[in-house]
Amino acid sequence: GESVGLHLPTLSVQEGDNSIINCAYSNSASDYFIWYKQESGKGPQFIIDIRSNMDKRQGQRVTVLLNKTVKHLSLQIAATQPGDSAVYFCAEAKYGNKLVFGAGTILRVKS
Amino acid sequence: GAGVSQTPSNKVTEKGKYVELRCDPISGHTALYWYRQSLGQGPEFLIYFQGTGAADDSGLPNDRFFAVRPEGSVSTLKIQRTERGDSAVYLCASSSRTAGTDTQYFGPGTRLTVL
Repeated sequence: GESVGLHLPTLSVQEGDNSIINCAYSNSASDYFIWYKQESGKGPQFIIDIRSNMDKRQGQRVTVLLNKTVKHLSLQIAATQPGDSAVYFCAEAKYGNKLVFGAGTILRVKS
Repeated sequence: GAGVSQTPSNKVTEKGKYVELRCDPISGHTALYWYRQSLGQGPEFLIYFQGTGAADDSGLPNDRFFAVRPEGSVSTLKIQRTERGDSAVYLCASSSRTAGTDTQYFGPGTRLTVL
């Protein structure tokens, strides 16, 4: 499979712990934000999204927080599992338009 | 299948050759996007179709790259006179553009290697 993430930041967590992945976005005009998970050799998989009129949104085991003041986005994963190991990308957009992706963070889950 | 499909999964070609990459979006999705992902980086936007027309082609790097979507469903990305720097994973995504949601769902990608 593809060897991604040669220069990406890495977060290592113990199985069962909570993970927090951070992202700084660049365009204050963006009004739509998304987190994707990408496993080696696969396309990005949608995790959760949030519109700019919200500051928090929860899914199953995941929570996205948006701080528009400092242009910061975070993804919280509860009770991290080995299957969560992947590269995580945040993306921003003007709603309905192209996505602009961040650099990505490698999440490694230790059993 | 229910997801976005892309063919071929891998394509190896020689410098100067012409290649076509195909994307089958999720049935009923009106919006289709092409992205390119280099090793260790996030996907970069190339072109976006709404129906049959290219709504935004600002990401195409030069005139060697062209994409079509003649019937508003399947799309083909065409690269002429390939260069080694074109080597990357080419990703396709589609979205339904229904009210309140615009989630882009990605295919598995086509890995292009230009020798």
